[in-house]
Amino acid sequence: EAQLVQSGAEVKKPGESLKISCKGSGYSFTTYWIGWVRQMPGKGLEWMGIIYPSASDIRYSPPFQGQVTISADKSISTAFLQWSSLKASDTAMYYCARTSFNYLSAFNIWGQGTMVTVSS
Amino acid sequence: EIVLTQSPGTLSLSPGERATLSCRASQSVSSSYLAWYQQKPGQAPRLLIYGASSRATGIPDSFSGSGSGTDFTLTISRLEPEDFAVYYCQHFGSSPGITFGQGTRLEIK
Repeated sequence: EAQLVQSGAEVKKPGESLKISCKGSGYSFTTYWIGWVRQMPGKGLEWMGIIYPSASDIRYSPPFQGQVTISADKSISTAFLQWSSLKASDTAMYYCARTSFNYLSAFNIWGQGTMVTVSS
Repeated sequence: EIVLTQSPGTLSLSPGERATLSCRASQSVSSSYLAWYQQKPGQAPRLLIYGASSRATGIPDSFSGSGSGTDFTLTISRLEPEDFAVYYCQHFGSSPGITFGQGTRLEIK
């Protein structure tokens, strides 16, 4: 069974760096896109970016370009989302999700989410 | 950039009733690239419909999607207690890539 398992909740201070992970299993990790989605407390879903691990093809949503870095390590079937300097406004739940097919398509597999809290 | 506008913001209905949720795109989009998700409190979203009208694996036939061009609809034919949740439409395609609607909250009347 295909699944994505995300790293645990994080509590950080403004200005700190952070890298969260999303490990895929039960499928060929390199042949599906993995996207990242932000959900701020009480708000809707926002697409941040997406990566195709096989070709390291990465696309960012304009509001998130330059604010985060998406990467993947094929050897451990894991995608990452990282910040170099967190802000309080980065406090949110972050989901990774896999496309249904090996091209840009709907997300049919979701991770359980990683809650990031940024507070001084 | 394609903007998806969902209506209504909140829909109050009773179990057994029919729910009709709307998603309007700011410009014409291919129905192949339109999906619907359900999200319950404390849970990750779940794919319901892809390609505007195809049900995802395990989704009951009480859920159906339709539409084309700029207007798309998610219909729940007969509401069960577990159907009360937030629903999002999504478009994926060319630059910038992926867009979600702001969501419709379906609540028990």
